[in-house]
Amino acid sequence: KQEVTQIPAALSVPEGENLVLNCSFTDSAIYNLQWFRQDPGKGLTSLLLIQSSQREQTSGRLNASLDKSSGRSTLYIAASQPGDSATYLCALISSGSARQLTFGSGTQLTVLP
Amino acid sequence: DAGVIQSPRHEVTEMGQEVTLRCKPISGHNSLFWYRQTMMRGLELLIYFNNNVPIDDSGMPEDRFSAKMPNASFSTLKIQPSEPRDSAVYFCASSRDGFYNEQFFGPGTRLTVL
Repeated sequence: KQEVTQIPAALSVPEGENLVLNCSFTDSAIYNLQWFRQDPGKGLTSLLLIQSSQREQTSGRLNASLDKSSGRSTLYIAASQPGDSATYLCALISSGSARQLTFGSGTQLTVLP
Repeated sequence: DAGVIQSPRHEVTEMGQEVTLRCKPISGHNSLFWYRQTMMRGLELLIYFNNNVPIDDSGMPEDRFSAKMPNASFSTLKIQPSEPRDSAVYFCASSRDGFYNEQFFGPGTRLTVL
């Protein structure tokens, strides 16, 4: 069974700092991986989707990487801003005949002005 | 596009009552997903539809839960009878084509069962 871990559970950084959020998984047979952000009391906003055949995706100040061999994905946020404060979740889709979706528990990020 | 629309945004009901949650996916999206989020269990996929057909309902917790998608622009998640442990935020999401494409989430329905 796929297990997805996001460490740390919470992170606080000063504005302007570059940071990396981690997502670890136990089964490398994945179909794709998606990073989301969730603001308090709101739904999830899709940030980046990485297909199994890809190594990374970039959107603005965000860069997500995927290393299946080590069971890791990272979300890099450059020049962090207070508006980046949210909970960041990764979600994996397994590549078996029956697609299984597994979410990590998230990292709560606070960017201090 | 208005994005995924869910109603109601908040629902408070008493144990034993029937609850119906509604979702309108993004126009042109062929896949629709229902999720539940709680502090204890995080985000869980309950069921998803492709072209209005339920593909995987293995996440539906009990027979008290049922979901329908009568057409491409509407889906319901029903709980009958509701129980306090069903209290959670229920999200609907849609995508162009199953899990291959990005999923776009609605704002959620916060359900409280007293």
